[in-house]
Amino acid sequence: QVQLQESGPGLVKPSETLSLTCTVSGGSISSYYWSWIRQPAGKGLEWIGRIYTSGSTNYNPSLKSRVTMSVDTSKNQFSLKLSSVTAADTAVYYCATRAVAGTEDWYFDLWGRGTLVTVSS
Amino acid sequence: DIQMTQSPSSLSASVGDRVTITCQASQDISNYLNWYQQKPGKAPKLLIYDASNLETGVPSRFSGSGSGTDFTFTISSLQPEDIATYYCQQYDNPALTFGGGTKVEIK
Repeated sequence: QVQLQESGPGLVKPSETLSLTCTVSGGSISSYYWSWIRQPAGKGLEWIGRIYTSGSTNYNPSLKSRVTMSVDTSKNQFSLKLSSVTAADTAVYYCATRAVAGTEDWYFDLWGRGTLVTVSS
Repeated sequence: DIQMTQSPSSLSASVGDRVTITCQASQDISNYLNWYQQKPGKAPKLLIYDASNLETGVPSRFSGSGSGTDFTFTISSLQPEDIATYYCQQYDNPALTFGGGTKVEIK
């Protein structure tokens, strides 16, 4: 059974770069679209972007200038970098996917448990 | 960007009641509308995809309908375990967006 696990620093300083990794276990990372979604405390969900295992990406236009996603198939991991962070980037960050290989469905039936990232000096 | 207006933002209903949540898109999104349930401290769970398709394993009391700009999510008989926040999500354009959420409580 495929599982996703987010990892990375829980505290990032303002103006620095937030870096998170999602590890895929129990299955292959290949032939799937992998997304990052975040949720500030007590607020709604915001899609950050997605990456296919070929490396092609789609980013939320509101975050595009600060987002970089990458995939490492040898480690079964994909990553998120968000630059120039501010307190507004404080949120729980989830990795998620549609767990059917080769489909470009834009919804998510497999999620990680989420990781809280706080932006503070 | 397509904006999703979800209403109400919260509701209180009795066990056994029929509960309805709506989501309106700012432009036609065909049937590219999904519904999620999120319980406190947990990741969202997909309930309905493509407006009206019930995800495998989801109880049949949950249903969705609509197309174009207006969508409805229904719980036919509210159960205590349905207490959660529900979100709609559109994906007609690559800037996938979520509605603001509806918090469902028991009266």
